[in-house]
This record gives sequence, C-alpha cells and structure tokens, in this order.
Amino acid sequence: NAGVTQTPKFQVLKTGQSMTLQCAQDMNHNSMYWYRQDPGMGLRLIYYSASEGTTDKGEVPNGYNVSRLNKREFSLRLESAAPSQTSVYFCASSPIGSEAFFGQGTRLTVV
Amino acid sequence: QKEVEQNSGPLSVPEGAIASLNCTYSDRGSQSFFWYRQYSGKSPELIMFIYSNGDKEDGRFTAQLNKASQYVSLLIRDSQPSDSATYLCAVGSNTGKLIFGQGTTLQVKP
Repeated sequence: NAGVTQTPKFQVLKTGQSMTLQCAQDMNHNSMYWYRQDPGMGLRLIYYSASEGTTDKGEVPNGYNVSRLNKREFSLRLESAAPSQTSVYFCASSPIGSEAFFGQGTRLTVV
Repeated sequence: QKEVEQNSGPLSVPEGAIASLNCTYSDRGSQSFFWYRQYSGKSPELIMFIYSNGDKEDGRFTAQLNKASQYVSLLIRDSQPSDSATYLCAVGSNTGKLIFGQGTTLQVKP
C-alpha cells in the first residue's frame, strides 16, 4: 500500500551541485506533479506530466528539469543547485481531473 | 496575480464555531476544485472536492462553488482544536494542471 514514494527524504547540497529527486507511484495514475513549498507560499507547481512521455512547465520551472520515463516514475533534476532552491519538494499523482495523492516530501537544503 | 488566491490568515475561531475559508481563481476554464488540509511537517491530505456549482456537504465540512464569481469556499462547522492546520485550495484545469493557493492557517482556540 505504498501510494506515492519519494526519495530521498532529506538532502543537503552545496551550491552548484546537481541531484535528482525520485518519485514513483503504484496507483496507475496518468498525471504526476512536482511542487515546492516555501513558508507562506503554499504549493507552487514546478512541472507536471499529464501522461507518460509528456511534461509541461508549471509556475516556477526555472532551474529544474523533469523526466517521465514511464507511467510510474517522474523525476526532478536540479542541474546546478542554488540556495534559492532550498525548500520542501512534494511529488503527487492523480487520475486525470481528480484528487492528487502526495508523497511524504523531500526536505532540501542548499548551502 | 496568482491563479489561485487565498487569505493567508491566520484565521482564529473559538472551539465550536464555524470557520469560513475562501478561495478565488482566475482561469474560467477550471473544472475541478479541491480543499486540502496540511498539518505542520506533513503532506497535504484531501478534505473535499467539488466539480459543480452549489454546495457539497461531508460531515462537518461544506464546500461551496460559484463558477460565475470564480469563488470556492470551505465551511467547517463545530470547529475543534484538531482542525487547527493550514487549508489549501487547489484548482484543476482541463489541461491537467493543478494549481494551489498559498493556504490559510486556521487556529481553533479551546
């Protein structure tokens, strides 16, 4: 009964380092999302994928890339991390037009 | 202007009172509307969804949608201290995007 699984849960990066956040869902959902959450800012959409092989920019895509390799997995890559990318990152999945289910989040600190 | 706007609060109500949370959105093509609750340090969890104009009730919660006014609200009756959390409004478009507001912090005082 895993739902949406994100790895890692915590990460500290140095400025300029790269990393990939992994997300996998086992609910056979078509849509997947990456959000970031900063204090007082709610959830801001970084990228989303309506189906396997398709991705679209959200509200704050700069500095990020994504990959939807298959229906289950949607990864988020930071090519050159900056302190402004310090945030909590949430992955979510949903059937089209329906409620989104969230992973447990990744707390990322860039120093 | 953000696509989905909420008053960040905090909204403070006494225990047993009705809490009213509001949300406006800018995309007239929006088709689905959700309210999530988020406790500090946790992931958002769904409370209510609504797709059609009018009211939808589930226990102590009522969601209200007015597409003409581009307005969604959530009423919490008989508020309890355990309802203290951040409430996030989310709006889904026909392209698949799901956009959240900045959230309203609710404090229910015993």
